[in-house]
Amino acid sequence: EVQLLESGGGLAQPGESLRLSCAASGFTFSSYAMSWVRQAPGKGLEWVSVISGSGGNTYYADSVKGRFTISRDNSKNTLYLQMNSLRAEDTAVYYCAKDLSNSSAGGSDYWGQGTLVTVSS
Amino acid sequence: SYELTQPPSVSVSPGQTASITCSGDKLGNKYAYWYQQKPGQSPVLVIYQDTNRPSGIPERFSGSNSGNTATLTISGTQAMDEADYYCQAWDSSTVVFGGGTKLTVL
Repeated sequence: EVQLLESGGGLAQPGESLRLSCAASGFTFSSYAMSWVRQAPGKGLEWVSVISGSGGNTYYADSVKGRFTISRDNSKNTLYLQMNSLRAEDTAVYYCAKDLSNSSAGGSDYWGQGTLVTVSS
Repeated sequence: SYELTQPPSVSVSPGQTASITCSGDKLGNKYAYWYQQKPGQSPVLVIYQDTNRPSGIPERFSGSNSGNTATLTISGTQAMDEADYYCQAWDSSTVVFGGGTKLTVL
């Protein structure tokens, strides 16, 4: 059974940093691209970033480019999102998602339960 | 930047067919994906690569994609299908989501 468990969310002040983690199990982690998608309170889904199975290819939404870094440790079956220079508009539930293939151009067939990030002074 | 446009809301009577559209420039040249999200829950993939249903998704869910429009069709809509639906596509090294459509079954 595929399981994705996010952690690391919480309250941060503007300008601060947070690191999200997503522990994966139930599939061959290194064989699939992984994504982060967020959802602000009462709003729609917003794609944040994707990383290929090997970690060699990464892509970012313009809204987070230069501030967020996606990475993965295939030996630990864990996905990360380092979030720096946080802004109020980064407040959202952050979902970790397993993509359908090793490349970073497909949909996501499994999603975690999400972790809430609140940026406020 | 690429944009996907969905109607904010669609209403359907139980047992009838619901169609939710997703429009984008030359969307038919890309793969479209559809997600269902119920309140307080994580999204669920219901259609991938335009027309394919993941295992466990009922046959009443189907998809098409041509020209500038992808369509999610729910045949014989049930009360349990009431949810928000999002389309998604990949363009120029970014993933794009539509704004979402609230499906009301009444």
